[in-house]
Amino acid sequence: AQSVTQLGSHVSVSEGALVLLRCNYSSSVPPYLFWYVQYPNQGLQLLLKYTSAATLVKGINGFEAEFKKSETSFHLTKPSAHMSDAAEYFCAVSPMDSSYKLIFGSGTRLLVRP
Amino acid sequence: KAGVTQTPRYLIKTRGQQVTLSCSPISGHRSVSWYQQTPGQGLQFLFEYFSETQRNKGNFPGRFSGRQFSNSRSEMNVSTLELGDSALYLCASTLEIRNTGELFFGEGSRLTVL
Repeated sequence: AQSVTQLGSHVSVSEGALVLLRCNYSSSVPPYLFWYVQYPNQGLQLLLKYTSAATLVKGINGFEAEFKKSETSFHLTKPSAHMSDAAEYFCAVSPMDSSYKLIFGSGTRLLVRP
Repeated sequence: KAGVTQTPRYLIKTRGQQVTLSCSPISGHRSVSWYQQTPGQGLQFLFEYFSETQRNKGNFPGRFSGRQFSNSRSEMNVSTLELGDSALYLCASTLEIRNTGELFFGEGSRLTVL
């Protein structure tokens, strides 16, 4: 069964510092991969998605992620953190099979220090 | 284009009661999924509907049920509520999950069971 692992339930960075949120997936076939963000008391908003078109994917709010098949990773980065980036981030994989669902990681809460 | 709308946003129930949550998908979207989000278990898949048919169901007891109407609107019902059912219930829609896997989420219905 496919799974997604997010390393670090909490990540704390200073404003202006690099943001790196880690995601590894288990799959024998390159799946579709996603990063979602959730602000307090809100639903999930899509940040970016990988659908095999390009390994470096750019998303909203200055975030990007690189698909590395050899490492089965899809880490999320942003060069310079902003206070408004404080939220919970979820990596997800779509098996694109008959399960008709996304498989989510456990989430990483990003804290941005002034 | 209106997003996914969930009602009610907040509700409080007592143990043993039942609750119905509603979800209106993005216009044109035929696939509706439901997820339960709790601090301990994270995001867990409840079920997915497409054209009024349930195509998959997560590992939840029979107290959790759902349906989809001909206009793609969906409802989920939880009967005989337990304290552990307190959660954020998220609805998501998409054209067809097997095509892109991308889900568009509503803001959720936060259920508190006392």
